[in-house]
Order: sequence, then C-alpha cells, then structure tokens
Amino acid sequence: DTAVSQTPKYLVTQMGNDKSIKCEQNLGHDTMYWYKQDSKKFLKIMFSYNNKELIINETVPNRFSPKSPDKAHLNLHINSLELGDSAVYFCASSQVSDTQYFGPGTRLTVL
Amino acid sequence: AQSVTQPDIHITVSEGASLELRCNYSYGATPYLFWYVQSPGQGLQLLLKYFSGDTLVQGIKGFEAEFKRSQSSFNLRKPSVHWSDAAEYFCAVGPRTGTASKLTFGTGTRLQVTL
Repeated sequence: DTAVSQTPKYLVTQMGNDKSIKCEQNLGHDTMYWYKQDSKKFLKIMFSYNNKELIINETVPNRFSPKSPDKAHLNLHINSLELGDSAVYFCASSQVSDTQYFGPGTRLTVL
Repeated sequence: AQSVTQPDIHITVSEGASLELRCNYSYGATPYLFWYVQSPGQGLQLLLKYFSGDTLVQGIKGFEAEFKRSQSSFNLRKPSVHWSDAAEYFCAVGPRTGTASKLTFGTGTRLQVTL
C-alpha cells in the first residue's frame, strides 16, 4: 500500500548516459514534486507539477526534463549524466499546498 | 528570500534523556511549518506540521513542536528519546497558498542516541 513509490531505488551509470527515474503516487494528490538531496543531505526542490502542468521549475540544467503523463505519475529524465548529478532524488506529492509526502528516494551514482 | 536555519548539525543524547532540536526561519509571512525525519537509507517521514491554531503541535512517535512567531522558531521536542529515534531531522517551511508548495528545508540535524 505504498503511497509514493519510486523506481529504481538505486541507479549506477556512466557519465554521458541518459537515465530516467519514475514516480507514482496513489494518494489522489494533484501536485507532484522532484527534490534533489546532495551529499551533505541538503534538500532542494527541482520541479513541481499540478495536474500535469509545470508549476515550479527551479534553476536546474536543461539536461533534466520532468514528464507527467497523468496526475499520478511524474518521471524525471536526465540526459548526458555528469558526476555532479550523483545524489538522492526524492519524489513527493501533495494536495495543492498541503503536506508533502515523500517517496523512498532514488540514489543515483554517476561514475 | 525564505530560509531555514537548523543551528545544530549533530546532537548526541542518551536514551531516556529529553531532546530539543532548534529551527529558525525567515519568511515574508507566517508559513506552514514542518518537521520531517529521515532514517538512514530511507525517505522523509512527516513528524508533525503547523498550519494554524494551537501553537503547540503534537506529532507521531511522541514528538511535539512549538511555533513561536515572535522568535520565528519552530523547535522540536521529545521528553524521552528512544534509540530508534537516531536519524536526520529536517525542518521545512512552505507557503500557505498556491497550487504547489515550494518547501524550503533546513540543512538537517543528525541525532545520535547513546545507550
């Protein structure tokens, strides 16, 4: 009965590759988010979608492209991976500005 | 710009001792306030939140937090810590309106519990 799920949990890849992370929520929320947690555990928002519409787009390299096929899914595609992209990526969802519920995270390691 | 300060990077307490984790924020208006906990290798779990009303809020696992508007603080407390409370704790603020909430997180406080 997972509320917010992400796949994969771990992702190890070479520099220059393209990879995707998937997120699904079964909470019926309208809004979904991607956050990046760096090696110092600092969490920063990257994107937010409300009903498949991009609402928040922080200063993120355009190699990162979110896609929301429907309001229960928000995927993150990353092109031309760089060493600095290594981090834990968290998906979250909420009902508009209400409490955000987070997924378990995807640990991305770029070699 | 909004910001959240958690002045204690690392705190060690003995099991059974009381705990207070500090959080100060800078925000244009009164925000929504949250405490999340992250156990090693896990996602973030909501401990408690303040939206309005009583400034002392109760959360899960015996935690509570008090909102003090005059001090722009939202400190987290627990009267008796258990070894399983060892984790990273994050304070966060977010707006009260809008279709999406851009949460701003503090840098976290790592809690170590000694037996």
